[in-house]
Amino acid sequence: QQQVKQSPQSLIVQKGGISIINCAYENTAFDYFPWYQQFPGKGPALLIAIRPDVSEKKEGRFTISFNKSAKQFSLHIMDSQPGDSATYFCAASSGNTPLVFGKGTRLSVIA
Amino acid sequence: DGGITQSPKYLFRKEGQNVTLSCEQNLNHDAMYWYRQDPGQGLRLIYYSQIVNDFQKGDIAEGYSVSREKKESFPLTVTSAQKNPTAFYLCASIEWGSNYGYTFGSGTRLTVV
Repeated sequence: QQQVKQSPQSLIVQKGGISIINCAYENTAFDYFPWYQQFPGKGPALLIAIRPDVSEKKEGRFTISFNKSAKQFSLHIMDSQPGDSATYFCAASSGNTPLVFGKGTRLSVIA
Repeated sequence: DGGITQSPKYLFRKEGQNVTLSCEQNLNHDAMYWYRQDPGQGLRLIYYSQIVNDFQKGDIAEGYSVSREKKESFPLTVTSAQKNPTAFYLCASIEWGSNYGYTFGSGTRLTVV
């Protein structure tokens, strides 16, 4: 049973465009929602994270939007650059339980 | 520099052989985790440990074993009972109460030959 559903599987965006990746969850006990960025052959690195007491968090070109009632959250990458080409994972956890990851989105930003 | 070191980076296993993947951290983190990554499958939890000498099974623990004898070390053994071990294995750690999320190692790519 997949606890965090991520879409799309892959995404191609023009340089300067907006990349949007969506995640949905079922477990209402989840209280921590991070996004990770992974380059080929490397481990994932934390990009940005949000807790359910806020609806949006912005760090530079990266924004998380959170909709508690819909049990959905999304990552927006503004002014996407070729260097943003990577695989992105959403995740969720509650308390000290291990993170549950989505299946990932492979983003390609083309010039 | 503080971080997580996974070794080796590449590992080849023969059929019926046990192999051990190393994970060492010098971050003084309490909890450590092993995830398996397959193309299109995301990261799936194998085992985790929140304290020395204690560990719990994750979603796909069958065919794997771990130990946590020291806070900084959490080795993973892939046994011959794991029928499809070819994958990218990631180790992670976190300090309780941290807002910085998991720190991941650079991974070990295991291939059955």
